Amino acid sequence: KNQVEQSPQSLIILEGKNCTLQCNYTVSPFSNLRWYKQDTGRGPVSLTIMTFSENTKSNGRYTATLDADTKQSSLHITASQLSDSASYICVVSAKDSSYKLIFGSGTRLLVRP
Amino acid sequence: DAMVIQNPRYQVTQFGKPVTLSCSQTLNHNVMYWYQQKSSQAPKLLFHYYDKDFNNEADTPDNFQSRRPNTSFCFLDIRSPGLGDAAMYLCATSRELAGVAEQFFGPGTRLTVL
Repeated sequence: KNQVEQSPQSLIILEGKNCTLQCNYTVSPFSNLRWYKQDTGRGPVSLTIMTFSENTKSNGRYTATLDADTKQSSLHITASQLSDSASYICVVSAKDSSYKLIFGSGTRLLVRP
Repeated sequence: DAMVIQNPRYQVTQFGKPVTLSCSQTLNHNVMYWYQQKSSQAPKLLFHYYDKDFNNEADTPDNFQSRRPNTSFCFLDIRSPGLGDAAMYLCATSRELAGVAEQFFGPGTRLTVL
């Protein structure tokens, strides 16, 4: 069964600190992996999209990594800001139906002053 | 700015009273999607349009219908809302269905059923 699991479920960090969120997936055949940021009461906003051949992709202070062999991804947030407080969702697509996004349950991040 | 717009942002309806949610896009994308997201859950795909071709997910209740009169607009009709239909409804668009086509989400419409 195609699944995406994320950890931790929630995380609290102090402003200015770094953090890393984890994602493991069992989706096959793999097409791509995306990280979305979702503010409370808003739609998800794409941070990165990675295909099989990509190991690392950055978007400002966000850096995503992908290990397609171990089926793991991480999202690293550098120098966190209060506005980073949101849910971060790992989403994977399979090749046979790449438009069907398989969502993880998300990591809820709270950045405190 | 090109974007996905949803109206209204908040909708209150009564049990059993039909309601229509609206989505528009200025991206000129071929594909438009409707998702249902309940509290603390992942979005669930209800259906999508590729141009005028409608594709319903197998487990989408008959109570949910959709219309796409043109490229820019797509509507979600809930014929007889039940209490269990209270959720955030997200519209998304993508240029294509296949490959690494990014899905752009709107801000969502939060539906309350009284």
